[in-house]
Amino acid sequence: QQQVKQSPQSLIVQKGGISIINCAYENTAFDYFPWYQQFPGKGPALLIAIRPDVSEKKEGRFTISFNKSAKQFSLHIMDSQPGDSATYFCAASIGTSYDKVIFGPGTSLSVIP
Amino acid sequence: KAGVTQTPRYLIKTRGQQVTLSCSPISGHRSVSWYQQTPGQGLQFLFEYFSETQRNKGNFPGRFSGRQFSNSRSEMNVSTLELGDSALYLCASTEQGGTEAFFGQGTRLTVV
Repeated sequence: QQQVKQSPQSLIVQKGGISIINCAYENTAFDYFPWYQQFPGKGPALLIAIRPDVSEKKEGRFTISFNKSAKQFSLHIMDSQPGDSATYFCAASIGTSYDKVIFGPGTSLSVIP
Repeated sequence: KAGVTQTPRYLIKTRGQQVTLSCSPISGHRSVSWYQQTPGQGLQFLFEYFSETQRNKGNFPGRFSGRQFSNSRSEMNVSTLELGDSALYLCASTEQGGTEAFFGQGTRLTVV
């Protein structure tokens, strides 16, 4: 029930294309869904986050879509660039404080020129 | 503000030895969490400390332990190292009531 599933495990997208990463959860108590981006040799960094009271959140080329009834959420990267090549983790937490976050297994994105 | 600092960056240890990793959180952050990252398992939660008290613990054996000092700096210790403990160990700090975890660059532990 605490698990967050993420797919695909790896993704190759051409420059300018759309990258889509999907996540699913079981625990309906989760109420905060962040996405983290990790470049090689670095720790993860918060990219964008959403709460279940909205169905979509957009920040620049990055959009989170949220489907509360299906318990699914996804990250869309529009006009993907080689600089977006990184590992992306979706996550879920309960409550407003960050006591413990459940991370998905990660998606390795490669954007090729 | 300085970010989260983890030391050392790299470690090579022999099976059976023990190791101590250090994490200095962002100034003012009192919550420190530790994660193990491996290619097969992703990010797995080890434990979380707040004001020198362990508040949450993940599903890891007792060989993994940690502590937090009064200045919020945290250490984690792994005893009787096994080959499977080879991983990137990440520390993250959050401010009280905050919704963003700030990660350090991690310590790459290799057990041979």
